[in-house]
Amino acid sequence: QLQLQESGPGLVKPSETLSLTCTVSGGSISSSSYYWGWIRQPPGKGLEWIGSIYYSGSTYYNPSLKSRVTISVDTSKNQFSLKLSSVTAADTAVYYCVAVAGRDYWGQGTLVTVSS
Amino acid sequence: DVVMTQSPLSLPVTLGQPASISCRSSQSLVYSDGNTYLNWFQQRPGQSPRRLIYKVSNRDSGVPDRFSGSGSGTDFTLKISRVEAEDVGVYYCMQGTHWPWTFGQGTKVEIK
Repeated sequence: QLQLQESGPGLVKPSETLSLTCTVSGGSISSSSYYWGWIRQPPGKGLEWIGSIYYSGSTYYNPSLKSRVTISVDTSKNQFSLKLSSVTAADTAVYYCVAVAGRDYWGQGTLVTVSS
Repeated sequence: DVVMTQSPLSLPVTLGQPASISCRSSQSLVYSDGNTYLNWFQQRPGQSPRRLIYKVSNRDSGVPDRFSGSGSGTDFTLKISRVEAEDVGVYYCMQGTHWPWTFGQGTKVEIK
């Protein structure tokens, strides 16, 4: 059973870079069976797909965030990560890492607040 | 971006009664491979979302058969045949045909 766990700072200052890591257990980040992604949910609001990364290394970023977002994989640590630069209060949200392979797997989510 | 519009946004339901949620997309969700990548997600209070239905009408493993999905093109529906207490939460449709993948606003299902 694949399990995902997000980690990273819960508070980020405006204009800085938000960095989150998703640690994968119960499966290999290198598996061609999965694709990996990040989704966020502002408090009390709906869901937004931030981006995805595939086994091939191909990445797809939401154009609304594309200039600020980077998703990468660290196979040595069985992790994938999200970096979002130049954050503002509008980036305050619960960030979820997800994996899809037939079915979907979600982390528990981590709240990131952008505030000085 | 493809806009996904759900209705209603709030759905009070009596236990044991059926419930229906509509989802409309701003353009056809038929992909070039002939599949329609329309999913439904459930988010129970305080939990992460989970997918219930994929490609319009396919239930994910472990999803009760009281949940069903239907539709085509731009109009889709999620039905719960008999609502149970554990079905309380917010339901989202999501299209995976056109990048960026987009979600509906969510429909909050609550018990009357």
